Amino acid sequence: SYELAQPPSVSVSPGQTAAITCSGDGLGHKSVCWYQQKPGQSPLLVIYQDFKRPSGIPERFSGSNSGNTATLAISETQTMDEADFYCQAWDSSTATFGGGTRLTVL
Amino acid sequence: QVQLVQSGAEVKKPGASVKVSCKASGYTFINYGISWVRQAPGQGLEWMGWISAYKSDTNYAQKLQGRVTMTTDTSTSTAYMELRSLRSDDTAVYYCARDVFRFVSDYWGQGTLVTVSS
Repeated sequence: SYELAQPPSVSVSPGQTAAITCSGDGLGHKSVCWYQQKPGQSPLLVIYQDFKRPSGIPERFSGSNSGNTATLAISETQTMDEADFYCQAWDSSTATFGGGTRLTVL
Repeated sequence: QVQLVQSGAEVKKPGASVKVSCKASGYTFINYGISWVRQAPGQGLEWMGWISAYKSDTNYAQKLQGRVTMTTDTSTSTAYMELRSLRSDDTAVYYCARDVFRFVSDYWGQGTLVTVSS
């Protein structure tokens, strides 16, 4: 089965840019989504099809995908951005989530 | 506004089955697919499968094949996920989500906690 690897945690200072990576074999040839999940809440789609932002998601959130790595970047990071972030990719007829990355803003 | 409202929490014994419902409103149900995702306590998200609300085509995660069935009732705009032969490691919050594109979930239900315990 296809596997996606994410760092368990990323820390960033307020106002700086956070980068969360997601790695998998040939990931650049697949379509990647990113979800944000805050404690006790359902996931929220923040990036889809590698770099597209749903309506209502701030421009501070951006995505890229090339080679074996996709990256979610959050610029001008705010304390409200603290959450778990999950990448997801799909291949033929199944989808896979990465293990998740806890973003800490401090 | 788009809403997905799931059924309430369940407690089941090992070996039993559970059926979680997901009632959609605020959009044309048959125009979108529904994904099901679960999250064990303190763990990450796990994709379970997808169903087309229009044709009822399904794709299931390999590890759940044979134990899971996803269905829809277009007359009530409701999706269902049934999981059989429950084990303790099936204890999780189960989410349904609307797929704006295949496997791209833009609206999520509130989650249903299923606890499997003897």
